[in-house]
Amino acid sequence: KNQVEQSPQSLIILEGKNCTLQCNYTVSPFSNLRWYKQDTGRGPVSLTIMTFSENTKSNGRYTATLDADTKQSSLHITASQLSDSASYICVAGRAAGNKLTFGGGTRVLVKP
Amino acid sequence: GAVVSQHPSRVICKSGTSVKIECRSLDFQATTMFWYRQFPKKSLMLMATSNEGSKATYEQGVEKDKFLINHASLTLSTLTVTSAHPEDSSFYICSAREPSGKVTYNEQFFGPGTRLTVL
Repeated sequence: KNQVEQSPQSLIILEGKNCTLQCNYTVSPFSNLRWYKQDTGRGPVSLTIMTFSENTKSNGRYTATLDADTKQSSLHITASQLSDSASYICVAGRAAGNKLTFGGGTRVLVKP
Repeated sequence: GAVVSQHPSRVICKSGTSVKIECRSLDFQATTMFWYRQFPKKSLMLMATSNEGSKATYEQGVEKDKFLINHASLTLSTLTVTSAHPEDSSFYICSAREPSGKVTYNEQFFGPGTRLTVL
């Protein structure tokens, strides 16, 4: 069964601190791993996309890692800002049919 | 990056009426668009894949007569919720895939979503 699990479900961090979100996936055939940021009431916005041959990719203060052997990914947020408060969704792309499998998301709240 | 718009952003309708939601790719042509549904605090669930010029492909459990999809042009797909009921209230999000995009990634660009409330 194609599945993406994220942890934690939610977290609260203080402004300026770092945090790391985790993602485990089981999809076949695996093509790529994506992280999206979704603000409340808005559509997801792409942060990073990695294929199985890529280990890490950064987008500003966001750094994603991928271990295709263990089927794990992480998203690290550096020096968090209030605007980082959102849901972060891990998504695994399958090579067949261009389908995406979505994780449940991690809701991040950054407090001043 | 590519921009996808949705209209309306919010709609409130009475039970039994039909509601049409538009999804447009503003600066690229999309042969394939996707329609998702999202419940509060839940992740996106794929409803159907909309292919330009052909019938949409629906996911298991999604009623095609309930959720009518029309992809009449390379920049527009519409989702019509027919005879809407309160249980159809949800956040509907579309995405578009750029045909000339990186094959490896099959990048999808998401619209801002449409909040449907059925009274």
